[in-house]
Amino acid sequence: EPEVTQTPSHQVTQMGQEVILRCVPISNHLYFYWYRQILGQKVEFLVSFYNNEISEKSEIFDDQFSVERPDGSNFTLKIRSTKLEDSAMYFCASSELQLGEKLFFGSGTQLSVL
Amino acid sequence: DAKTTQPNSMESNEEEPVHLPCNHSTISGTDYIHWYRQLPSQGPEYVIHGLTSNVNNRMASLAIAEDRKSSTLILHRATLRDAAVYYCILREGIQGAQKLVFGQGTRLTINP
Repeated sequence: EPEVTQTPSHQVTQMGQEVILRCVPISNHLYFYWYRQILGQKVEFLVSFYNNEISEKSEIFDDQFSVERPDGSNFTLKIRSTKLEDSAMYFCASSELQLGEKLFFGSGTQLSVL
Repeated sequence: DAKTTQPNSMESNEEEPVHLPCNHSTISGTDYIHWYRQLPSQGPEYVIHGLTSNVNNRMASLAIAEDRKSSTLILHRATLRDAAVYYCILREGIQGAQKLVFGQGTRLTINP
């Protein structure tokens, strides 16, 4: 079965540094998402992206966050100046252009901000 | 987003059926009922979804009440690999990037 791939699997950074998390969605999918999960807490929606623009974003997704689809295959999440509270597992997901269709999730990038 | 209510945890034995309940009394006519699960240290994984009729796939069955205010995910023969957190989520059935809103889910423990 096709899958969403995320790199790196682990990222350690210093507070205040910029990080870019990378995702390769499934090739024929048109909707893309980022979620995060702080250790021991629930999975939280960050942003959805379609047709090269943000469809919806949560309150968590402030000016420090941005997303981009720089080419036909990658989908990236950038955090401009990381804070300690950004430490979490970040999941990318994608779905086809169909009503009520399922989301496919990647295995995540564990971000640790020191 | 419409809300769902699930038990915090459930326990079952290997090779026995498991029935995971979900209440969604405020469901609207266009909401799809989705089930996802999250195994330890992994991303959420799609299990099954439905609108009105019961659904079956290779992983599970979804039984939807006639009034759609509740549903039950059925694992016919649980294995140790089915130990996970199971999320019942309502997803608005309109075209577009409809996000999933995860609750706390039901933590399923399978005893050998």
